[in-house]
Amino acid sequence: DAGVIQSPRHEVTEMGQEVTLRCKPISGHNSLFWYRQTMMRGLELLIYFNNNVPIDDSGMPEDRFSAKMPNASFSTLKIQPSEPRDSAVYFCASSARQGWDTQYFGPGTRLTVL
Amino acid sequence: TQLLEQSPQFLSIQEGENLTVYCNSSSVFSSLQWYRQEPGEGPVLLVTVVTGGEVKKLKRLTFQFGDARKDSSLHITAAQPGDTGLYLCAGALGSAGKSTFGDGTTLTVKP
Repeated sequence: DAGVIQSPRHEVTEMGQEVTLRCKPISGHNSLFWYRQTMMRGLELLIYFNNNVPIDDSGMPEDRFSAKMPNASFSTLKIQPSEPRDSAVYFCASSARQGWDTQYFGPGTRLTVL
Repeated sequence: TQLLEQSPQFLSIQEGENLTVYCNSSSVFSSLQWYRQEPGEGPVLLVTVVTGGEVKKLKRLTFQFGDARKDSSLHITAAQPGDTGLYLCAGALGSAGKSTFGDGTTLTVKP
C-alpha cells in the first residue's frame, strides 16, 4: 500500500497568491482529515470528511481556507489569498472507519508564504 | 487552554537511560493514542488505549492509561538513538468525538 500521498511536498509562494494542497487517502478508507502543524500551535485539526462529506470544519481558521473532497480518492485544501501566518506543515490523514479510528498520516506539505 | 498537557516539553538523555513522558487532562477520554513523529514525516501511531488502567507494551515501550481515563504515560526502557522524535498523545472525547492532540514531547537520545 502506498500510504497517504500528499503533493506538493514543499511550496513557496508569495503573499496574496492562491495555494492548493492535494491529498490521496489510502484506498478503502472512509475518513479524511486535514491538519496544520506549527511550532507555536502544535498539530491542529482543520477539517475532517467522512464518506466525502465534511463533518467538522470548526478548525478552519477563516474564510480564506476551503477544503473539498470530490471523490473517495482525492481531497484538496485551498488557501486564497495566502498570508505569511499560513506558513506551516499541512498534513492529510485517513482512517478506515468513521470517526477516530487509527489515522494514517501523509508526509505533509511544507508551505512557506513570503 | 490546551485540553491535553504533555510533559516534559523537551527531553535529552543518553543512550541506555530510562524515561517517562506524561499526557494529562481534566477531561475523560473514550480512548487515547500515542504517536511518534520523526523530522520531515507525519505522525505514526504507536498504540491506542481504551480501558482505564490498561497497560500495553510495545518492545521497550510501555503505555499506561490512567484509571479515570484522564491521563496516560509512556515509559521507554534503555532508550536508543532510534527513539528520537516527537511523541504526541491524542485523546478522543466520546465514541464519536474528535481527537485532540497534545503539544508533544521532543525526545533526543544521544549515542
